[in-house]
Amino acid sequence: DQQVKQNSPSLSVQEGRISILNCDYTNSMFDYFLWYKKYPAEGPTFLISISSIKDKNEDGRFTVFLNKSAKHLSLHIVPSQPGDSAVYFCAASKNAGNNRKLIWGLGTSLAVNP
Amino acid sequence: ETGVTQSPTHLIKTRGQQVTLRCSSQSGHNTVSWYQQALGQGPQFIFQYYREEENGRGNFPPRFSGLQFPNYSSELNVNALELDDSALYLCASSRGDSGNEQFFGPGTRLTVL
Repeated sequence: DQQVKQNSPSLSVQEGRISILNCDYTNSMFDYFLWYKKYPAEGPTFLISISSIKDKNEDGRFTVFLNKSAKHLSLHIVPSQPGDSAVYFCAASKNAGNNRKLIWGLGTSLAVNP
Repeated sequence: ETGVTQSPTHLIKTRGQQVTLRCSSQSGHNTVSWYQQALGQGPQFIFQYYREEENGRGNFPPRFSGLQFPNYSSELNVNALELDDSALYLCASSRGDSGNEQFFGPGTRLTVL
C-alpha cells in the first residue's frame, strides 16, 4: 500500500517556466514532508521540507505548499532551469521518538527543455 | 565538513553469497538509516541506527542486518543473497535529535546473479 503517491511519473517544462510537482499521502499521522532531487548514479539530495504546522515554505526558486485537508503537497520551481532536470521524490515521516524513517513516493522525472 | 560516503560503489555477487556494505556518516551526525531502492521505485526503509543501537526496522527479513560503530559509521550485511536483492542501497545520516533532514551517500549498486 503506497502511503506516499506521486501520480505523474514524468513532467516536461520549458526553461524559465514554472514546474509543479505533486504528491499525495494517505497517512494523517505524517507530520513532516520533504522533497529530494536525484541525479542518475547519485544519492538523493535534500531540497526543501515542510512541517505539518505550516502550509508554505520557500527557499529561493523552490516553494513547497501543503494542504493538510486534501493530504496533498506540491513543489513549485520558478523559474525552471535545465540543471533542474532530475527525478524528484516526495517523502514523509512521522514522529516516533528518535526514529524518523522516511516513506517515499515513486518519484517524478522532470525534464526542463532549453 | 565531509559528506556521507559509501563503499563499494558497485558489487556483483551470486545467489546464496553474503555481502557487507559500508557507510560513513556526515560529521556531527549520530543516526544512520539504510534504504533499498529497486529500479523504478522509491527508496524503501530497511533500518535505522542511533547511537549504535537499532532504532527501527522496515519490512525486511532477518538476513538483512546491520551495525553502527562508535564513530557512527555503519555496515549493512545481507546473507543468503537472492536475485531480488539486486538494487541500489542508500545510506543516510542525520542528527538523532532533529533527524528530519537525512543526507544521503551516493549508494552502492548491488547486482545478484
